Amino acid sequence: DAGVTQSPTHLIKTRGQQVTLRCSPKSGHDTVSWYQQALGQGPQFIFQYYEEEERQRGNFPDRFSGHQFPNYSSELNVNALLLGDSALYLCASNPGSTYEQYFGPGTRLTVT
Amino acid sequence: AQKVTQAQTEISVVEKEDVTLDCVYETRDTTYYLFWYKQPPSGELVFLIRRNSFDEQNEISGRYSWNFQKSTSSFNFTITASQVVDSAVYFCALSEVSGGYNKLIFGAGTRLAVHP
Repeated sequence: DAGVTQSPTHLIKTRGQQVTLRCSPKSGHDTVSWYQQALGQGPQFIFQYYEEEERQRGNFPDRFSGHQFPNYSSELNVNALLLGDSALYLCASNPGSTYEQYFGPGTRLTVT
Repeated sequence: AQKVTQAQTEISVVEKEDVTLDCVYETRDTTYYLFWYKQPPSGELVFLIRRNSFDEQNEISGRYSWNFQKSTSSFNFTITASQVVDSAVYFCALSEVSGGYNKLIFGAGTRLAVHP
């Protein structure tokens, strides 16, 4: 049973560019959440998707957007990248009816 | 507002020592969940335990044990007879469940180094 998978593993972008990160949830999970983890800090909630809709959002600007597909996989898009967007981006999934989130290995984004 | 505080930034112990990681939380909700996650150097967060706000029973799982005290808003984690493989960053997290949403609020983490 595959866990949560994310791609790519690492990414280097330049300020002002746009990036798309991808996540496939654990089998049987229909809810996907995204978190940003800056170096030396705890993960910060970006948003959560359920039934292809964003149903909860953290304190992140509109430059951060997402999408969930009918197969429950999800994308995180970040526009107009800033140096401060450099972080580990974690995807988590859970079945809609329970509250344990299972995390993927993350995508390390470096903005130069 | 919700908040999780892990006052210990780093802890260093020698193998076989017992170690306790502290977690204090703030919430106005009466129904919530508390979690502990482990983050090894690979980066992936590994789920360790979930505890709901109505269950104050302590829990033991092998060398791991958790002490939940609502009176002090604490959810502490103890590793007995620590091993080098326990070296990681440990995060405590809080989730309020109003509206069916379950975003996690994490503490800043405690880095545990277990030396041989």
